[in-house]
Amino acid sequence: QQQVKQSPQSLIVQKGGISIINCAYENTAFDYFPWYQQFPGKGPALLIAIRPDVSEKKEGRFTISFNKSAKQFSLHIMDSQPGDSATYFCAASKGGSYIPTFGRGTSLIVHP
Amino acid sequence: DSGVTQTPKHLITATGQRVTLRCSPRSGDLSVYWYQQSLDQGLQFLIQYYNGEERAKGNILERFSAQQFPDLHSELNLSSLELGDSALYFCASSVTDRGDIQYFGAGTRLSVL
Repeated sequence: QQQVKQSPQSLIVQKGGISIINCAYENTAFDYFPWYQQFPGKGPALLIAIRPDVSEKKEGRFTISFNKSAKQFSLHIMDSQPGDSATYFCAASKGGSYIPTFGRGTSLIVHP
Repeated sequence: DSGVTQTPKHLITATGQRVTLRCSPRSGDLSVYWYQQSLDQGLQFLIQYYNGEERAKGNILERFSAQQFPDLHSELNLSSLELGDSALYFCASSVTDRGDIQYFGAGTRLSVL
């Protein structure tokens, strides 16, 4: 059973465009939602995270939107750049241990 | 560079064999986490150690075991290897046992032939 569903599997965006990646979760006990960025040959790196007490969190060009009632959250990358080309993973975890359950990942390609 | 060191980078072995993957956490980090990344299963949590003690267990097979040593480095032992164990194995570390901010190493790519 996939507890965190991520879409799309792949995404191609032009430079300057907006990249949107969506995730949905099932377990209402989840209360911490991080996004990770992974470049080829590297490990995942924490990009931005949100807790369910807020509906949006912005850090630079990266924004997480969170809808608690729909059990959905999304990552928006504004003014996408070729350097943003990577695989993005959403995750969800329960407070205390913060052990993440990952989505399957989205491969983002930003064309110059 | 995350500060987490994993060795070796690549490992090629045969079915039935046993291998040991090593992880050195960031200086000062007390927790170590192991993950498996494969095309079939995606990125999955295996096990967490905190200051030498097992803290949490995920989808880790009985053929797999791990430990964290007094100097805080950790080893993941994989035995009776099967073709399906071929994957990327990542180690991550965090300062405390609270894993909201984890730093990942570059991984060990295991190929079982």
